[in-house]
Amino acid sequence: DTAVSQTPKYLVTQMGNDKSIKCEQNLGHDTMYWYKQDSKKFLKIMFSYNNKELIINETVPNRFSPKSPDKAHLNLHINSLELGDSAVYFCASSQPGLRPTGELFFGEGSRLTVL
Amino acid sequence: DAKTTQPPSMDCAEGRAANLPCNHSTISGNEYVYWYRQIHSQGPQYIIHGLKNNETNEMASLIITEDRKSSTLILPHATLRDTAVYYCIVRVQGYGGSQGNLIFGKGTKLSVKP
Repeated sequence: DTAVSQTPKYLVTQMGNDKSIKCEQNLGHDTMYWYKQDSKKFLKIMFSYNNKELIINETVPNRFSPKSPDKAHLNLHINSLELGDSAVYFCASSQPGLRPTGELFFGEGSRLTVL
Repeated sequence: DAKTTQPPSMDCAEGRAANLPCNHSTISGNEYVYWYRQIHSQGPQYIIHGLKNNETNEMASLIITEDRKSSTLILPHATLRDTAVYYCIVRVQGYGGSQGNLIFGKGTKLSVKP
């Protein structure tokens, strides 16, 4: 079984549409993240949730809204899509604790193309 | 901005050791050095991390200089499947959701050749 799974893997849509990317982890981790990798291959954190509570919210337009129904899921909703939103979006999870290792487990990515 | 400097690319012959350098001259005393890699079209994969002692696991070894201003990731017997972009990251080992705030730079594109 895939530890961190994202759907869909590919998403092509028109400007102005609203879309969602789903993420699920079966590792029992408390913390989940969304990262964005742009066309220049820079990978940057967008959001972090710990036990369904928002921890990190980087400078991301409010058109992006993460939703965590439970600690195993962190979905990303994007409203009014723009050309600049085209990127690969990675979901990740980790298990913080008294002695965190800092190891993040990433999904395979969801490539979003906005036309 | 990333606080590390890595060469943009390196080549390595299959079966030989791959030594990937990283400079982090402004590292703070409580910052760890992490290494991740990203194989084409896949998500990043954790390799190893350390504070000041050298570390080894089943994937690689991490050598950190005594002044901690630089480190080297060693893949002892590189295979074609090790071809990837390798990222060196420094950060405080946080707790809760903050530990995931990794700042990825451009990394080093390692090409392992037969």
